[in-house]
Amino acid sequence: DTGVSQDPRHKITKRGQNVTFRCDPISEHNRLYWYRQTLGQGPEFLTYFQNEAQLEKSRLLSDRFSAERPKGSFSTLEIQRTEQGDSAMYLCASSSSQGHEQFFGPGTRLTVL
Amino acid sequence: GEDVEQSLFLSVREGDSSVINCTYTDSSSTYLYWYKQEPGAGLQLLTYIFSNMDMKQDQRLTVLLNKKDKHLSLRIADTQTGDSAIYFCAEIPGGGADGLTFGKGTHLIIQP
Repeated sequence: DTGVSQDPRHKITKRGQNVTFRCDPISEHNRLYWYRQTLGQGPEFLTYFQNEAQLEKSRLLSDRFSAERPKGSFSTLEIQRTEQGDSAMYLCASSSSQGHEQFFGPGTRLTVL
Repeated sequence: GEDVEQSLFLSVREGDSSVINCTYTDSSSTYLYWYKQEPGAGLQLLTYIFSNMDMKQDQRLTVLLNKKDKHLSLRIADTQTGDSAIYFCAEIPGGGADGLTFGKGTHLIIQP
């Protein structure tokens, strides 16, 4: 399968815990995006990388959210001190620098109890 | 207000055409997109249109773009039960390499 993959697919955590999600983009795609989708809404853009550089992070929801892409391949999204309002689907997408289409992974569904 | 607006629901009979409408606000958007999301799944890119085009056809899908009114539509011919999903309209504000701005999505309901 050469599509975007995300791990885990589901995560249940208790309020106050830290969680980390992983995204593996389509190989050779140098742009990687993170989105959050809550029930009944469209995805909301959070941040994006070109190679290892994080070019947009002002849309991250709070300073509890951070993302990395240290080697320009996979990326991680971390949420510290989770709150119930963080419960959502977290989606990753990738695109090439020559193309404009973003291809999405299956998402990680986070439930904060 | 919303940057991208869509009706929340559309109900059509199997075999009829479905027309899903969208309005957007950023006139500098270079591309406009339609994504499909089935229950519990990620988003599937269906089609897109370049901003200097009025229409794009791809098999059963027809996209119409009215730049003057900032109106985008997706027509699905011969709607089938497998077309039942949420359809999202999206743009990239400023036309650059930034993240997509999505509407809330239109639930397409197919009646037998």
